[in-house]
Amino acid sequence: GQQLNQSPQSMFIQEGEDVSMNCTSSSIFNTWLWYKQDPGEGPVLLIALYKAGELTSNGRLTAQFGITRKDSFLNISASIPSDVGIYFCAGYPLSNFGNEKLTFGTGTRLTIIP
Amino acid sequence: GAVVSQHPSRVICKSGTSVKIECRSLDFQATTMFWYRQFPKQSLMLMATSNEGSKATYEQGVEKDKFLINHASLTLSTLTVTSAHPEDSSFYICSAIRGSVEETQYFGPGTRLLVL
Repeated sequence: GQQLNQSPQSMFIQEGEDVSMNCTSSSIFNTWLWYKQDPGEGPVLLIALYKAGELTSNGRLTAQFGITRKDSFLNISASIPSDVGIYFCAGYPLSNFGNEKLTFGTGTRLTIIP
Repeated sequence: GAVVSQHPSRVICKSGTSVKIECRSLDFQATTMFWYRQFPKQSLMLMATSNEGSKATYEQGVEKDKFLINHASLTLSTLTVTSAHPEDSSFYICSAIRGSVEETQYFGPGTRLLVL
């Protein structure tokens, strides 16, 4: 099935650093979503992107829908301890139009080093 | 907001028993709900799509007779793991779409199932 490649797989950063992660696909997506999952919890929606080129912010988080519609990135500025968790990109492939199945990325695990 | 709840949050059962997990949309009507399974350190894998008033659509490789899904109302879907075995131990997460236009899926907090 459809796969989204997310990188990096894991990140170890110090508090206050900026974070950047991205998600790529071999096919076109018409929606990109970024979720954060804390241990033992369900994913929580951070940012939703609906148009190619769209740049959207949510507090310290910024995400963009790539022009080619095959990628998206998420940036976190000035990281804080509560940013720790797993970040998943997700999207609706254009080929699935009308079929509401969401495809998830492989996840980026963010750890903050004390 | 769009709040989705799941019950129970965790369950431990003996091999061979059946377990029912409930997924509720608390402040909206959900014509479509989804059931995912997540193994440790892995991404979410879609198991089935649950539509209110009709049969669920299962993904390839998911046994419909083992994972029974019922979507009896616009705010409730249930997943029953029948004759559970240790390999069914996993984190089960549901999601719901608000209305028929919005695409965003809102996720429940998950249910951790441990089969002994």
